[in-house]
Amino acid sequence: DAKTTQPNSMESNEEEPVHLPCNHSTISGTDYIHWYRQLPSQGPEYVIHGLTSNVNNRMASLAIAEDRKSSTLILHRATLRDAAVYYCILRDRQRGGTSYGKLTFGQGTILTVHP
Amino acid sequence: GAGVSQSPSNKVTEKGKDVELRCDPISGHTALYWYRQSLGQGLEFLIYFQGNSAPDKSGLPSDRFSAERTGGSVSTLTIQRTQQEDSAVYLCASSLVGTGYNYGYTFGSGTRLTVV
Repeated sequence: DAKTTQPNSMESNEEEPVHLPCNHSTISGTDYIHWYRQLPSQGPEYVIHGLTSNVNNRMASLAIAEDRKSSTLILHRATLRDAAVYYCILRDRQRGGTSYGKLTFGQGTILTVHP
Repeated sequence: GAGVSQSPSNKVTEKGKDVELRCDPISGHTALYWYRQSLGQGLEFLIYFQGNSAPDKSGLPSDRFSAERTGGSVSTLTIQRTQQEDSAVYLCASSLVGTGYNYGYTFGSGTRLTVV
């Protein structure tokens, strides 16, 4: 499986932007980049995904490097409710790919937001 | 329903007993997944159903674990002869499926299984 590398933890202050990095140097041309987060005592929650172009939704923005070997999840104004574990995951769109169909979660980045 | 529903939310069972965990996916979602998460650990893939295709059982840790999905909707995860190491939160997720699997998962709140 193409792997992702994320920092174990990051800290932010409330109301400030947060940039969560993810390296995926072995990404293939058929891999989508997915981000999920898991709040304490809850199941994971879909945040955003993309392939090549930057993406925006109501929760966050996803900036994808031109060579696709890294990406950054951007929370524009962190709130206390954004404190969670954030997972960056590659998902193969090509039938037969080892990550086709299912998401493989790593350890993620623990985000702490200070008031 | 509006989300993925799992039951029971909590289950305490004695070692050696069988348990059944239920997942009711979002209506219309053809893909269904089971994961488990042990205390302080990441999510471990167990099994994946997609429509009428044969399920991907590659994550089931032993033959004590099995799952079925009836009528392409509700799924049941069964653990036979439970062991203490089976204690974990069991999470179910569902998703739409289309070209390139370009959809996110929706997870349920999980079943917390404790084997005593």
